[in-house]
Amino acid sequence: GQQVMQIPQYQHVQEGEDFTTYCNSSTTLSNIQWYKQRPGGHPVFLIQLVKSGEVKKQKRLTFQFGEAKKNSSLHITATQTTDVGTYFCVNNNDMRFGAGTRLTVKP
Amino acid sequence: GAGVSQSPSNKVTEKGKDVELRCDPISGHTALYWYRQSLGQGLEFLIYFQGNSAPDKSGLPSDRFSAERTGGSVSTLTIQRTQQEDSAVYLCASSTRRTGGPTEAFFGQGTRLTVV
Repeated sequence: GQQVMQIPQYQHVQEGEDFTTYCNSSTTLSNIQWYKQRPGGHPVFLIQLVKSGEVKKQKRLTFQFGEAKKNSSLHITATQTTDVGTYFCVNNNDMRFGAGTRLTVKP
Repeated sequence: GAGVSQSPSNKVTEKGKDVELRCDPISGHTALYWYRQSLGQGLEFLIYFQGNSAPDKSGLPSDRFSAERTGGSVSTLTIQRTQQEDSAVYLCASSTRRTGGPTEAFFGQGTRLTVV
């Protein structure tokens, strides 16, 4: 398997601003998962995307899977301090996590 | 148990000593993963067990690291002759494979290893 690449590595936003993190793969993915790790905590599963062009929403979080199934994004609308943490994407077929995107939110 | 259990939660050891870290996966989960996370870093894949198949050891950083999974359940990660660079949080995760549904991994709280 090939590890997906995630950008940016860090993102600092003002509370209320939007936030997006992107995952890219050079090969077609059968599926992709997203996890969130709060500071001092362990990763927690958020969602799995399987279908080309799939879009799923969880409250203020919107997850997308690209048409070619080579990229994915997580968008958070109107960030809150509770969104602080590191967001990881991972190819479920090999479960090789990358560096993730660390989000900090200024109140 | 209700979730993935790891023990100990914290371990301080002297350089050169061997350590064993334990992971109790969720009952019935056939897949088990070990990861290492250094402070402020991502998750470094170490090893993967799936059922009775030969484990994927491709992530083990050196021959000082080994892992076993007995009876398809509990797993132990052993680090021999520990070095200071082994200091990190070691995370275990388990999951189940089923058709048509998410196969999310459930993580334990981790073992924080400090080598002094």
